[in-house]
Amino acid sequence: EDQVTQSPEALRLQEGESSSLNCSYTVSGLRGLFWYRQDPGKGPEFLFTLYSAGEEKEKERLKATLTKKESFLHITAPKPEDSATYLCAVQAGSGNTGKLIFGQGTTLQVKP
Amino acid sequence: DGGITQSPKYLFRKEGQNVTLSCEQNLNHDAMYWYRQDPGQGLRLIYYSQIVNDFQKGDIAEGYSVSREKKESFPLTVTSAQKNPTAFYLCASTDRGLHQPQHFGDGTRLSIL
Repeated sequence: EDQVTQSPEALRLQEGESSSLNCSYTVSGLRGLFWYRQDPGKGPEFLFTLYSAGEEKEKERLKATLTKKESFLHITAPKPEDSATYLCAVQAGSGNTGKLIFGQGTTLQVKP
Repeated sequence: DGGITQSPKYLFRKEGQNVTLSCEQNLNHDAMYWYRQDPGQGLRLIYYSQIVNDFQKGDIAEGYSVSREKKESFPLTVTSAQKNPTAFYLCASTDRGLHQPQHFGDGTRLSIL
């Protein structure tokens, strides 16, 4: 069964304290891995797509990496405005339905 | 500005009542999706549609129904058969093509009266 697991469930950081969020997956035929940011009471906001092992993408203080079994979202010198829930999702299998399998998310709190 | 609009933002359901959640997109996307989000859980797929007048069940379709009469619109009905409807409902759409991300609306929070 295809599965996506994120860790930790919650993470508290001091402003400027860098860390990483993990997304591990077991799927048949990875087609793409997606990172989203979700603020309370809002819909997820797209951050990155990763397609193949070794790929990296960056946006401001965020950097996403991908291996054959997991992805990391590195947060460098975070600010309080980076506080949110970060969701990982994978697209897998044959056929182009666009269906995504989501992890349960990591809730990040950055204290000033 | 292109985007996905969900309405209402908050909705209350009485026992035995069907309620309909609206989702409209002006991104000209072919595919649309409905998800349910519960606290501490990931998004779970309810229904999806890749083309007008066609839709497929997701992982948790029981107690829900959809229609896709127009490309821009994909309403979700939560029927009285859904015994635990309290959740945050999210609608998404995506363009055709490999590796296209889904884009989301801002959700509808449904509660039982």
